[in-house]
Amino acid sequence: GAGVSQSPSNKVTEKGKDVELRCDPISGHTALYWYRQRLGQGLEFLIYFQGNSAPDKSGLPSDRFSAERTGESVSTLTIQRTQQEDSAVYLCASSAARRPHEKLFFGSGTQLSVL
Amino acid sequence: GENVEQHPSTLSVQEGDSAVIKCTYSDSASNYFPWYKQELGKRPQLIIDIRSNVGEKKDQRIAVTLNKTAKHFSLHITETQPEDSAVYFCAASIGGYQKVTFGTGTKLQVIP
Repeated sequence: GAGVSQSPSNKVTEKGKDVELRCDPISGHTALYWYRQRLGQGLEFLIYFQGNSAPDKSGLPSDRFSAERTGESVSTLTIQRTQQEDSAVYLCASSAARRPHEKLFFGSGTQLSVL
Repeated sequence: GENVEQHPSTLSVQEGDSAVIKCTYSDSASNYFPWYKQELGKRPQLIIDIRSNVGEKKDQRIAVTLNKTAKHFSLHITETQPEDSAVYFCAASIGGYQKVTFGTGTKLQVIP
């Protein structure tokens, strides 16, 4: 596709359930980022992938959060035993820049609501 | 780790006036400072960036200034238009270390 695609766009789940969020980066983009955006707040770094390795997982809030990436393609962010404080928009971004932290292209996000 | 603070959180200006958004960062090793614009319901998009070897950069009505000594940088929008209304995020990162740390955002409202 032409841009970063995320699915689902909206997810409503019950507390305690597991959820899986998907990100399809722009073809050829080797770098991929996940961010969390709580209502009215900034972008909170979660994890960064270069290819399918994750050199920086420092932002994952707890061991309930995990992410993986297949090659230089799709990434999934999994949240186990969801809590109400997990409610947020989860944004994915990819980059093809020689310096990947530059020129991030964001997806439209997944709005997660935990009831 | 890096901490980026952004002010103000909201800003209202009359159409045609200028708007200034300020950010400070904590890690003196940071050397790349992008600004992203997020229109309502849309994804953030890069609008301008500056590297630490440059003090100022302009692109039409927007400009960014950087003061490395004080560890702060600012976004300046001149001749504001209604379509400038959005949330603006500043960010900082260190080359070679790919984490990008964002500020908390500024909601800019341009009043026609």
